[in-house]
Amino acid sequence: ETGVTQTPRHLVMGMTNKKSLKCEQHLGHNAMYWYKQSAKKPLELMFVYNFKEQTENNSVPSRFSPECPNSSHLFLHLHTLQPEDSALYLCASSQEDEQYFGPGTRLTVT
Amino acid sequence: DAKTTQPTSMDCAEGRAANLPCNHSTISGNEYVYWYRQIHSQGPQYIIHGLKNNETNEMASLIITEDRKSSTLILPHATLRDTAVYYCIVRVEEYGNKLVFGAGTILRVKS
Repeated sequence: ETGVTQTPRHLVMGMTNKKSLKCEQHLGHNAMYWYKQSAKKPLELMFVYNFKEQTENNSVPSRFSPECPNSSHLFLHLHTLQPEDSALYLCASSQEDEQYFGPGTRLTVT
Repeated sequence: DAKTTQPTSMDCAEGRAANLPCNHSTISGNEYVYWYRQIHSQGPQYIIHGLKNNETNEMASLIITEDRKSSTLILPHATLRDTAVYYCIVRVEEYGNKLVFGAGTILRVKS
């Protein structure tokens, strides 16, 4: 238990659906991150939020839309995804040093 | 952030020390060496980090060479539950600074 929770843990969605992933941290951190891990590939950074402001977007397609309403919550809104977007989506939070990761959401796009 | 090089995989006998090397020859003076591990299909777990001095915590020890161009993560008594992918990452310590993950080292602990 790292203090970072993610829901849902598993999600299956069709290409025309809209869904959202939720991340919550109870650690008082001010930076939050979304990472994507496709099968047999290293983790890739998607977005970084510092004090609720987006500070990095790693050339992520617009079908992924992040939202950070406060320092404790981070969402990833999904719409019109492609099968190649199937992956493990990981949220993390930090202060300056170590990042704490949630358990991830396993997303399958059909 | 500087790039790191790690062996693709390593085996270790249960109960023995696991020594995982990492090369980071282009590391800058203000970059720390971080180690994380990822057990299958879980989120990465922080292990340890350091700047120049050797560090030890309840999980592992980190030995950084004097020139800081390489380091070794030591798990003193490996167990089967230590089987995971181990990532060595160098980064500047600041708010919102991302982690850049490579392929890491697959450590297999065998009984």
